Amino acid sequence: AQKVTQAQTEISVVEKEDVTLDCVYETRDTTYYLFWYKQPPSGELVFLIRRNSFDEQNEISGRYSWNFQKSTSSFNFTITASQVVDSAVYFCALSETTDSWGKLQFGAGTQVVVTP
Amino acid sequence: DSGVTQTPKHLITATGQRVTLRCSPRSGDLSVYWYQQSLDQGLQFLIQYYNGEERAKGNILERFSAQQFPDLHSELNLSSLELGDSALYFCASSVRGLGNEQYFGPGTRLTVT
Repeated sequence: AQKVTQAQTEISVVEKEDVTLDCVYETRDTTYYLFWYKQPPSGELVFLIRRNSFDEQNEISGRYSWNFQKSTSSFNFTITASQVVDSAVYFCALSETTDSWGKLQFGAGTQVVVTP
Repeated sequence: DSGVTQTPKHLITATGQRVTLRCSPRSGDLSVYWYQQSLDQGLQFLIQYYNGEERAKGNILERFSAQQFPDLHSELNLSSLELGDSALYFCASSVRGLGNEQYFGPGTRLTVT
C-alpha cells in the first residue's frame, strides 16, 4: 500500500507566484521522519528538508517553508516567489521506525513548472 | 554536488546480460542505499548496507544482488537483464540510518535493449 500520497501530479505557475505541494502520509509508528527531495531536469535527487515526528514546529528557510500537521498526517511544502530554477519534480518521503535502518518510502512526486 | 559518486552514468546492454553499478558514499557515511526509479514503479527502495553488512531489503529481484566493501563503496549487480529492468538506479548514503537524511548520487541510467 502506498504510504505517501502526493495527489498533485503537476502544478504550473508563473514566476513569482507561490507554490504549495501537498503530501499525506500513513504510518502507525509514533516516531518517524519526513523528507522533501527535489529532482531537477538534470535528474539528480537533492535533499531539501527533514522533520521528525516530535517536532511540529513549522519553519521557513529562505524561500522554502513547510507545514507539518500530525493531526491530519500532512507535510506540505511551499515555495515562495517561485523562480524558473524551481522547475523540478518534488518528492515527499517517509522513514519509519519499524524500518529501523531508515529506508525512504517516496510519493509519486509532483512536477512543478515555473514559466517566466 | 552531494559527494556521492556513481559509475557509470549511462549503460546500454542487451537482454540476458549482467552489469555492475558502482557507488562511493560521502566521506564518513556508513550507510549505503540503492533505489530504482522507473516510470511505472516510481522510486523504490532496493537494499541497504551499513558498514559492510546488509541491513534492509526492499522489493529487490533475486536476479539483483549487492555488496558493500571494506572501503565502504558498494556495487549493485544486475543479472539476466530484462527489458523491464531499464530504469534509473540511484545510490544514496547517510551517516548511519534511521533519521539521517540521505544524499543521492547522480544515478546510473540503465537501458536494456
